[in-house]
Amino acid sequence: QKEVEQDPGPLSVPEGAIVSLNCTYSNSAFQYFMWYRQYSRKGPELLMYTYSSGNKEDGRFTAQVDKSSKYISLFIRDSQPSDSATYLCAMRDFGNEKLTFGTGTRLTIIP
Amino acid sequence: SAVISQKPSRDICQRGTSLTIQCQVDSQVTMMFWYRQQPGQSLTLIATANQGSEATYESGFVIDKFPISRPNLTFSTLTVSNMSPEDSSIYLCSVEGYRTTSSGRADTQYFGPGTRLTVL
Repeated sequence: QKEVEQDPGPLSVPEGAIVSLNCTYSNSAFQYFMWYRQYSRKGPELLMYTYSSGNKEDGRFTAQVDKSSKYISLFIRDSQPSDSATYLCAMRDFGNEKLTFGTGTRLTIIP
Repeated sequence: SAVISQKPSRDICQRGTSLTIQCQVDSQVTMMFWYRQQPGQSLTLIATANQGSEATYESGFVIDKFPISRPNLTFSTLTVSNMSPEDSSIYLCSVEGYRTTSSGRADTQYFGPGTRLTVL
């Protein structure tokens, strides 16, 4: 079993829809949870960063962490064509610089 | 934030040859990381490179296949040696960093644009 599971998609939704992206993990030592966005032929860039269980909102993006279920989500409201990218979840444990990534979900927003 | 450049951006190589990928950062950093990103697979850490010490390799990766240099605090190279088609992948370097968020400081990594390698 992989440490981090993420549905690779692809996922296509119409512009303006709410997008839900998810990851599950097996290592209970993970304490920090991140979402990276990767445009085609670019490196991943940090989108959201959370530490504790609960919700964190930044503009149209909401990151949700449920440590009891080992489940994290990223919600995108009012999705735009510019949101079309691959979204990777990543996580690490306390005091460890090493990140463990999901496979990434390829998202396309259809105008 | 850090600005990272990689050379080459892409290359097509013959089986059995070697390719050296360069990573340049616009600021001094202690830790640099090299990743491999294969289609349909997770971004996988190859090794961590600290200036002044030997690189630390992850399980499944060895120095003979992926030798790394880290001559100073802004530069690193990764060599993919004796290549085979299975080495076809995107190779990315990243550096430690942090961002200031509404919740405070968030430790993260900044990534370069990647080197797309195809081995024939």
